[in-house]
Amino acid sequence: AQKITQTQPGMFVQEKEAVTLDCTYDTSDPSYGLFWYKQPSSGEMIFLIYQGSYDQQNATEGRYSLNFQKARKSANLVISASQLGDSAMYFCAMREGLTGNQFYFGTGTSLTVIP
Amino acid sequence: DGGITQSPKYLFRKEGQNVTLSCEQNLNHDAMYWYRQDPGQGLRLIYYSQIVNDFQKGDIAEGYSVSREKKESFPLTVTSAQKNPTAFYLCASSYTITDTQYFGPGTRLTVL
Repeated sequence: AQKITQTQPGMFVQEKEAVTLDCTYDTSDPSYGLFWYKQPSSGEMIFLIYQGSYDQQNATEGRYSLNFQKARKSANLVISASQLGDSAMYFCAMREGLTGNQFYFGTGTSLTVIP
Repeated sequence: DGGITQSPKYLFRKEGQNVTLSCEQNLNHDAMYWYRQDPGQGLRLIYYSQIVNDFQKGDIAEGYSVSREKKESFPLTVTSAQKNPTAFYLCASSYTITDTQYFGPGTRLTVL
């Protein structure tokens, strides 16, 4: 089974609108961390936001928020007020366990912001 | 400026040649990682190192080798044994193995 599943290969959003990128994960370990990264066409992976499995509140970083639904094992990224510079690939990732040497990436979602 | 540097940005190699990709960080991170990314796919872990003079194989270590002689440096050698080396290679680092990983700009390797 896939550890991280991103079911949306491509998404389009109008500039200034909000968009949700889906991510579901699979783990039986009670301790894990969830990450979102942005990869623009230049190739560098840019860290956006982190959610720990024991965190009570959803993580937020500026225009990014993580909609963490533990029972459903989902960790969707919400980008508010989309900007043209948000056009990129977005990857969901999970660190599994306390030792942390198990780190899994999804296949990514390509987001295009339309002016 | 603190960060992770990778060089070169583009690399071309003939079949049968070994090539070494550089990764340097000045973030004082203990852990470092090498990933491979193929078109349309996510990242796959090649090797990681939790501390100087220690490294572990990831999911796709065959045909690759690494060293970690200094905290700041974690070079990756792509050997001739790697059957399909053309890919985008990303280096990352983190304070410890459980912390957020930060990435370098990547090296695009093409085997001719």
